[in-house]
Amino acid sequence: EAGVAQSPRYKIIEKRQSVAFWCNPISGHATLYWYQQILGQGPKLLIQFQNNGVVDDSQLPKDRFSAERLKGVDSTLKIQPAKLEDSAVYLCATKLALGGTYEQYFGPGTRLTVT
Amino acid sequence: AQSVTQPDIHITVSEGASLELRCNYSYGATPYLFWYVQSPGQGLQLLLKYFSGDTLVQGIKGFEAEFKRSQSSFNLRKPSVHWSDAAEYFCAWGDNDMRFGAGTRLTVKP
Repeated sequence: EAGVAQSPRYKIIEKRQSVAFWCNPISGHATLYWYQQILGQGPKLLIQFQNNGVVDDSQLPKDRFSAERLKGVDSTLKIQPAKLEDSAVYLCATKLALGGTYEQYFGPGTRLTVT
Repeated sequence: AQSVTQPDIHITVSEGASLELRCNYSYGATPYLFWYVQSPGQGLQLLLKYFSGDTLVQGIKGFEAEFKRSQSSFNLRKPSVHWSDAAEYFCAWGDNDMRFGAGTRLTVKP
């Protein structure tokens, strides 16, 4: 079974530029998450999708961040304009619920550096 | 405030020694608890999870964790550490979404 794919793996941009990240989830996983992981911290949830609908975007800075999940499969996360404090690893994860438990499967992440 | 706390930022152990990584949570509801490992440049890999039942949970790579409700803890243990275990370890509490601790970085001395 293929894992969660993310691209690009690394991105360097200047502040005030825009950037987009792409996530291809595990086939059949309806729930998709985007996390932000700042250096030295644990991942922090930005947005959660169930199929192509948003379940929770309370922690998403909506003045600059946006996300969509086309046709309930691939997802993109965009930052426009970027700030220095957006430098982080952006992780995509999908959830599999099974027999009363569940697991989240994480992609390798996109490391963003804003200069 | 609801939180997951990992008190140790960095731990160093000798190869072959035992390991215990601490995790405390402050959520009132029945917790779903997880331990993940993250190697440099990699995503998070699930080591083990606790949902209910036996409070001693076995995971991959020889890890285990014990849920203690009275202490609000879910500590990760391994009897004998290997050099390849050097990584960042994250405890997490999950319901519909996941809340992570800040992580503990493990260094293994030869």
